Amino acid sequence: NAGVTQTPKFQVLKTGQSMTLQCAQDMNHEYMSWYRQDPGMGLRLIHYSVGAGITDQGEVPNGYNVSRSTTEDFPLRLLSAAPSQTSVYFCACRGASYEQYFGPGTRLTVT
Amino acid sequence: AQSVSQHNHHVILSEAASLELGCNYSYGGTVNLFWYVQYPGQHLQLLLKYFSGDPLVKGIKGFEAEFIKSKFSFNLRKPSVQWSDTAEYFCAVNQFERDDKIIFGKGTRLHILP
Repeated sequence: NAGVTQTPKFQVLKTGQSMTLQCAQDMNHEYMSWYRQDPGMGLRLIHYSVGAGITDQGEVPNGYNVSRSTTEDFPLRLLSAAPSQTSVYFCACRGASYEQYFGPGTRLTVT
Repeated sequence: AQSVSQHNHHVILSEAASLELGCNYSYGGTVNLFWYVQYPGQHLQLLLKYFSGDPLVKGIKGFEAEFIKSKFSFNLRKPSVQWSDTAEYFCAVNQFERDDKIIFGKGTRLHILP
């Protein structure tokens, strides 16, 4: 089992560009979430989903969209990238025991 | 709004010293509590979790944490740290009765001197 995979590992965008960060899990977990990690700020929840077709906002949702058409995939879309979105992005899925399994992260730089 | 506070942002200890990292949360209802660790260049891994029952929980690598409901605290402890414990530690709270979010603290960066 691969667990949680994220692509790409690194990305550089120009201000105003859009892109999608991919996240996939093969653990058949219903709950998935996206966090961003910034120095001194810890992990902040962007969006989460409790199952296919259901998404909700986290702490810092502005500038990001998500959708959940399948259990396996939970892509994060940046609509118009801004330098403030420079960060490391982690996707996670959560099992019945509430333990979260994190992906390896995507390091995004917006210039 | 719910929040998680980690009081120590950066801790430096010598090997064999005892460790205690503080964590407080703001919600008064029923919570699930977690400590995660992130070793340099790696993603987060679960150290331990509390759902109910014995408020003293033991995790991997000799770590333990004590849930004190009256203080809204879930402090992480280890009697004797090792150089390999150098990492960033995150406390997290799930207030599953209110919503299903898992909120993290800002983290504590632990540096162990050999």
